[in-house]
Amino acid sequence: QSVLAQPPSASGTPGQRVTISCSGSSSNIGSIGVNWYQQVPGTAPKLLIYNDNERPSGVPDRFSGSKSGTSASLAISGLQSEDEADYYCAVWDGSLESRLFGGGTKLTVL
Amino acid sequence: EVHLVESGGGLVQPGGSLRLSCAASGFTFSTYSMTWVRQAPGQGLQWLSYISGSSGIIYYADSVKGRFTISRDNTKNSLYLQMNSLRAEDTAIYYCARDMGVTGADDYWGQGTLVTVSS
Repeated sequence: QSVLAQPPSASGTPGQRVTISCSGSSSNIGSIGVNWYQQVPGTAPKLLIYNDNERPSGVPDRFSGSKSGTSASLAISGLQSEDEADYYCAVWDGSLESRLFGGGTKLTVL
Repeated sequence: EVHLVESGGGLVQPGGSLRLSCAASGFTFSTYSMTWVRQAPGQGLQWLSYISGSSGIIYYADSVKGRFTISRDNTKNSLYLQMNSLRAEDTAIYYCARDMGVTGADDYWGQGTLVTVSS
């Protein structure tokens, strides 16, 4: 069981907006920026959002991140079939001196 | 263009050892921290270890502390993971990744190398 809690699954239809949550604690999400990764099955993870809400070059602005207290969220607007993938939140935990990944959320585009 | 290429994976018996390598190119390797992350079959991502550019700061996940050793050779633009006392639960795809230096985000990843621990 992950220290960072994510829903195991999420779904939406093309064009919809979906959000994926990530719940942690004051020693991780509450203290430092959260990162989000997208992983299409069979491929390496790809950085989607870093430092809560910043996008690396090349990531569409349909993807956005936010944080409030000890919870973070990834929002995907204008859902597309190519967005079907697994999504992971990640953050450094100062108490554990360890980087943590959430359990992952499988996004299905219906 | 940044490239990370892992190698050294394979089949090993329980209790055995394996050394993974990650060859880096396309950036000034010595100025970036690096990490190892693994993914067991059908499971999520698990962070394993971090090493700073100068090797002065190293961290490990509790699950591998004392069994795995991360190291790097900046003259060879290479990252390593020495894995000892391997267990069946260490079976996974092992990825190396570049830490971009902001909140521990890994901005480039290798394609991964498969390690199978089985008798």
